[in-house]
Amino acid sequence: SQQGEEDPQALSIQEGENATMNCSYKTSINNLQWYRQNSGRGLVHLILIRSNEREKHSGRLRVTLDTSKKSSSLLITASRAADTASYFCATDGRGTSGSRLTFGEGTQLTVNP
Amino acid sequence: DGGITQSPKYLFRKEGQNVTLSCEQNLNHDAMYWYRQDPGQGLRLIYYSQIVNDFQKGDIAEGYSVSREKKESFPLTVTSAQKNPTAFYLCASRLVGEAFFGQGTRLTVV
Repeated sequence: SQQGEEDPQALSIQEGENATMNCSYKTSINNLQWYRQNSGRGLVHLILIRSNEREKHSGRLRVTLDTSKKSSSLLITASRAADTASYFCATDGRGTSGSRLTFGEGTQLTVNP
Repeated sequence: DGGITQSPKYLFRKEGQNVTLSCEQNLNHDAMYWYRQDPGQGLRLIYYSQIVNDFQKGDIAEGYSVSREKKESFPLTVTSAQKNPTAFYLCASRLVGEAFFGQGTRLTVV
């Protein structure tokens, strides 16, 4: 079963606006990661946040993690047309699942010029 | 250059045939993964391997098989038992944390 569920499924904004995507998960995690996928390509890692961290920044990206609510959010500030892609959260399971890495359904972001 | 390579990029299979998708990495990563992605959907885990000669089933392993005889290689066989194999297949590898993905193989049943 899918561990993560992203919300919204699709998001359309204008260049310069901020984009926020949310991810919920079900089980205990070691860390949570966000990836980006351009259409028909492989995924590219964006940022990783550990289970003992609450917020992390990387350039125009800001990720938060709330382990009590089993949720995370990805904020992209000052969006650009080149940010148009699908964004996925992935959870790194804790316990007997070992190095299992499970992805959610993704959010399709469209940034209009 | 270091990286992870999937081949072929496009693959066509007749119904009833087995096909093998290649995944090779020269990043010296221990863990390797296979995912299936259907149009507009997320990634579903097929199989994963943490070390050579060991692998575990993911969420949708039925109709697929893998081997891990070498650290660099993790081929996926789509068998005739997989009733709906048309999809985009992605391979990934990692040590810990960040995973690196190949560019995918698009499999179509004709």
